[in-house]
Amino acid sequence: EVQLVQSGGGLVQPGGSLRLSCAASGFTFENFAMHWVRLLPGRGLEWVSGISWNSASVVYADSVEGRFTISRDDAKGSLYLQMNGLRVEDTALYFCAKDIVAVSVDTSYFDSWGQGSQVTVSS
Amino acid sequence: QSVLTQPPSVSGAPGQRVTISCTGSSSSIGTYYDVHWYQRLPGTAPKLLIYGNYRRPSGVPDRFSGSKSATSASLAISGLQAEDEADYYCQSYDRSLNHWVFGGGTKLTVL
Repeated sequence: EVQLVQSGGGLVQPGGSLRLSCAASGFTFENFAMHWVRLLPGRGLEWVSGISWNSASVVYADSVEGRFTISRDDAKGSLYLQMNGLRVEDTALYFCAKDIVAVSVDTSYFDSWGQGSQVTVSS
Repeated sequence: QSVLTQPPSVSGAPGQRVTISCTGSSSSIGTYYDVHWYQRLPGTAPKLLIYGNYRRPSGVPDRFSGSKSATSASLAISGLQAEDEADYYCQSYDRSLNHWVFGGGTKLTVL
């Protein structure tokens, strides 16, 4: 059974940093691209960032480009999201999600999701 | 504002059929990009419900069906059950943004 177990998150002041982790099991982690998606209050889901199987391709939404960094450690079967320069508008429930392919394409979708990590940015 | 537009809410009585629309543009659904649907039960992770416009993952009841035409897509749920009460999200790709996009979500209430 595919499992994505998230950790990290919490309350942080504007300008602060947080790191989210996502531990994968039940599938060959290194064979699949992975993503972060967030649920914004009252606004629905927003794709945040994606990383290919070999970390060669990394993409970000404009809203987080330059502030967030996605990475993966295949030896540990884990995905990470380092969030710096956090803003109030980054407040959301963050999910890690598994792609169906090794290198994300326009037809990609997400067949397994983590349980979510709450990130609240407030002074 | 989400790139894909969904109605904020729909409702139906048990046993009835409801549909949820997902409207995009010529740079998203209107291109050849597939539409996928997710169900999020309260307090849980989203679950893949429909992929490739109309395909169901194993384990998803055939009460759930998807379709796509022009710049929109629809999710239909027939034989409504109380356990279907959840938020539903559509997802596609937008070539002008160069990334994956979601709808704002539709809350289904089973009366």
